[in-house]
Amino acid sequence: QVQLQESGPGLVKPSETLSLTCNVSGASIITGYYRNWIRQPAGKGLEWIGRIYPSGSTDFNPSLKSRVTLSIDMSKDQFSLKLNSVTAADTATYYCASAGFWGQGILVTVSS
Amino acid sequence: EIVLTQSPGTLSLSPGERATLSCRASQSVSSTNLAWHQQRPGQAPRLLIYHAFSRATGIPDRFSGSGSGTDFTLTISRLEPEDFALYYCHFYGSSLPDTFGGGTKVEMK
Repeated sequence: QVQLQESGPGLVKPSETLSLTCNVSGASIITGYYRNWIRQPAGKGLEWIGRIYPSGSTDFNPSLKSRVTLSIDMSKDQFSLKLNSVTAADTATYYCASAGFWGQGILVTVSS
Repeated sequence: EIVLTQSPGTLSLSPGERATLSCRASQSVSSTNLAWHQQRPGQAPRLLIYHAFSRATGIPDRFSGSGSGTDFTLTISRLEPEDFALYYCHFYGSSLPDTFGGGTKVEMK
């Protein structure tokens, strides 16, 4: 069974960079699929951040593109998100997802 | 960008009743690019339907998807207590950015 697990700091200061990693286990099913990052502010809907393909190519939400970097390490079955210049508006639960499987999510709060 | 509009915002029903959730796209999309996810309180979303019609592994057959073009529907034939949750439609798998609808909350009357 495929499992995805987000990890990273739960608290980030304004103007700094939010960095998260998604570790994938049981990955053989999703080897050829792109990997997504999605976020959800408390009490609000889902917002797609971007995706990265196994090749390393990427697509982004136009509203976040200038601040997002995605990377992937297929040998470690993990992929990562960096979001720079964060503000309180970036406070949300961040999910990684691929091929229909979702991680449990990690709450990241932006606050000094 | 494809904008997805879900209606109604909230659906108040009783267990055993039929739920019909709508998702309208701002322009025609392929059925291969439309999914539905369920999110129970305090949980991560989970995939219910992909390619507009296909149930994900382990999803009960009371859930069904239909539609084409700009209008898609998720139907829950007989609501079980665990079905009272939020539901999101999702445009994916295209060269365009993914987008989600605003969600429909199915609440117990």
